[in-house]
This record gives sequence, structure tokens and C-alpha cells, in this order.
Amino acid sequence: SQKIEQNSEALNIQEGKTATLTCNYTNYSPAYLQWYRQDPGRGPVFLLLIRENEKEKRKERLKVTFDTTLKQSLFHITASQPADSATYLCALGGYQKVTFGIGTKLQVIP
Amino acid sequence: NAGVTQTPKFQVLKTGQSMTLQCAQDMNHNSMYWYRQDPGMGLRLIYYSASEGTTDKGEVPNGYNVSRLNKREFSLRLESAAPSQTSVYFCASSESEDRSSYEQYFGPGTRLTVT
Repeated sequence: SQKIEQNSEALNIQEGKTATLTCNYTNYSPAYLQWYRQDPGRGPVFLLLIRENEKEKRKERLKVTFDTTLKQSLFHITASQPADSATYLCALGGYQKVTFGIGTKLQVIP
Repeated sequence: NAGVTQTPKFQVLKTGQSMTLQCAQDMNHNSMYWYRQDPGMGLRLIYYSASEGTTDKGEVPNGYNVSRLNKREFSLRLESAAPSQTSVYFCASSESEDRSSYEQYFGPGTRLTVT
């Protein structure tokens, strides 16, 4: 069956450093992969989408890579700030719907 | 532009009671979704509607029914609530008909407790 793995443990990093979150998947060939941010008590908010034929995507301080051979996506936040503290979800896209991972909680320490 | 709205925000039900969760979007999106989110389980798809007039089961449809009332509204009904349905429910929408945009827009969620 399809499986998405994200670090279930929280990731703590110092302000100003680069945060790197990992999303691994098995038994899946997604057409695209998305990353969302979720703050406590709120719905997820879309951040970035990367398609299967793209290696890397950037948006301001965010960078996503997608390796379909390794079946892995890396999500980077450069120059991290305390305001970046949240849970980050990866989602694999197929026809008409997506499948979400459980998310990784990021804590940026001032 | 309110985006995706959900009502109610909180609800407590007794086992066996029924209720309907309401969702509406004002972005003219074709596709709408209902998810539940539980600790350690992530977001799981209950039902979705790819376009007005169609609905399909997701990963965890048992115990739920849906209605796509029109392009704007997609409701989720619990006919006989069970404690296992205690969860946070999210509605989402996306404009996927022409494959140009896949991002999903989420509502604020409904926190449901079944005792």
C-alpha cells in the first residue's frame, strides 16, 4: 500500500540556520508533490508544488527538491525565523486527489 | 473573498446522534474535499467531489455521507455518531478541472467530540 514518511519527531533549529525537512514515499508514483504549512488550531496552507519532471523549485526562502528515483522530497527553509515554527505537511498528488503525510513539527529557537 | 468557510467550529454529540457539517467556498473551484485529522494519523480523505454533481469515496468513508449541493457547497453528514468519529474535520477546495492548479485551500476546521 502507499506510504508517506515524514519525521514524526519535532525538529528544533536555531534562528538563522537552514531547516531541512524530509518526505519519503513508497508504492507511489505521484504526478506532483506539495508542501503545506499548518499552525495549531488552523487548516493547512499551501506553500509549494513541484512536478515529477522538476528537480527543484524555489519561492523566497523556501526550496523544494524532488527525486523520483530515491522517492524523496526535501523541503528547505533558509535563514529560519521563529515565525517559521509550525507543522509542515507533504502531500503526494494523483488524479483528482492528494495523499498527506502526518507532518513534521518545526521549532525555530531565537 | 472569504475562501473556504465551515460551520460549526465546535460540536459535541452523544453517541447515536446525527449532524451535518457545512462547507462553502467562494473561489469558483470545481473540486471539494472532506478530511479528518487525528493525532499521529495525519489528514485522511473521507469523500471528495471532483465536480458539481459527482462524489467519490476517499480513504475512510464508512459512517459518513456527503452532498454536493451546488458548485459552492459540500456537506458532510454523520448519520449515527460514534466515539471513533471524534476528530477535527477539514473541508478543502481546489480548481483541478483544467489541471492548471492543484493547490488545495482549507477551511478553519470543525472540532467534533462524540461522547
